[in-house]
Amino acid sequence: EAEVAQSPRYKITEKSQAVAFWCDPISGHATLYWYRQILGQGPELLVQFQDESVVDDSQLPKDRFSAERLKGVDSTLKIQPAELGDSAMYLCASSILRGGGELFFGEGSRLTVL
Amino acid sequence: LAKTTQPISMDSYEGQEVNITCSHNNIATNDYITWYQQFPSQGPRFIIQGYKTKVTNEVASLFIPADRKSSTLSLPRVSLSDTAVYYCLVGPMIKAAGNKLTFGGGTRVLVKP
Repeated sequence: EAEVAQSPRYKITEKSQAVAFWCDPISGHATLYWYRQILGQGPELLVQFQDESVVDDSQLPKDRFSAERLKGVDSTLKIQPAELGDSAMYLCASSILRGGGELFFGEGSRLTVL
Repeated sequence: LAKTTQPISMDSYEGQEVNITCSHNNIATNDYITWYQQFPSQGPRFIIQGYKTKVTNEVASLFIPADRKSSTLSLPRVSLSDTAVYYCLVGPMIKAAGNKLTFGGGTRVLVKP
């Protein structure tokens, strides 16, 4: 069964350092999402791509977060500089339909900022 | 975008049926109702989706009344492995500008032996 791949699975960093997360969606899924999930809360959408274009980044803290999906396939989410409050699970998901339908999630990247 | 309200937590026992109700009073005509399951340290997993009446698959049933202002996820004969957080989402199949598929706080279901 096709899966959404994410790496790294775990990342520990010190505040003010840069971190990056990578996601490879299911082949053929044009829509890719990055979510942030703080422990005990539901996932919060950070950014949504349709192919290589950003269609929603209204919740992305653009002063420190950036996301790209240059060739419309895999994607990278970067945080620079990391802050203590960025400690969370970063989830990538993909879907066939634009903005709806079934979302397929990866296992996530857990970030701990010290 | 339709806001959803679900119970924070529910306890059950193995073999029982678990019903989780989600309220979405301002659901739009083109909105669908989707439920996800999430285990600790994993991403959410799609369970079921519906628009009206009843939908059933191999793991759950989704009941949607005629006014569509609420929906109920039914998990038959739960086992310990069904202990998870369940999220109800409401939104269109195709995203229009300004819409986003929003997860609420979910319902923590604990299945006891």
